[in-house]
Amino acid sequence: NAGVTQTPKFQVLKTGQSMTLQCAQDMNHNSMYWYRQDPGMGLRLIYYSASEGTTDKGEVPNGYNVSRLNKREFSLRLESAAPSQTSVYFCASSGFWRTLYNEQFFGPGTRLTVL
Amino acid sequence: QQQVKQSPQSLIVQKGGISIINCAYENTAFDYFPWYQQFPGKGPALLIAIRPDVSEKKEGRFTISFNKSAKQFSLHIMDSQPGDSATYFCAANAGNNRKLIWGLGTSLAVNP
Repeated sequence: NAGVTQTPKFQVLKTGQSMTLQCAQDMNHNSMYWYRQDPGMGLRLIYYSASEGTTDKGEVPNGYNVSRLNKREFSLRLESAAPSQTSVYFCASSGFWRTLYNEQFFGPGTRLTVL
Repeated sequence: QQQVKQSPQSLIVQKGGISIINCAYENTAFDYFPWYQQFPGKGPALLIAIRPDVSEKKEGRFTISFNKSAKQFSLHIMDSQPGDSATYFCAANAGNNRKLIWGLGTSLAVNP
């Protein structure tokens, strides 16, 4: 039982390049999330997917797109990377809504640097 | 707009001391208040959580105190250990909303 996995762990991009961050969970959770974490800024929600087939914007969606490929996988795409997108990106998932409320399980993170 | 305000931003405690982190909220619809712990290089993980129908919840050395009238909740770490050194986040959630509202985090350092 791997929980939430993210790839890659580290990535360096040049301004204007594109890339996709991959996330998968094996806990049969309905909801999945993408966050970015920057010093002093806490965790900021980029996009989330309440259930398979739906996606919604969080508080900082500009410059990003997401795809909920199936119940297990939720990817985050940077179409044209900018230095302001240098950050640590976390994927999370949650399930069993009424039983466990919104306990979110986090992946190990992707450390992205945009030069 | 910061809906959950967390303080202090950083905290240094001696081994064996009590660490206290506070959070305040405005939205009275919040009905779930978790605390997450994050070690360097790792993702956050749920530490302890409380619902507003109780004023305190204790798990080992970790206690949440909840004051509904003041709209505040706090995390107390008793007998703090160097292994507790981490960043702690409070959060809140309302009903069917799928999103957690996060505090900005507190960096705790426990000196040996």
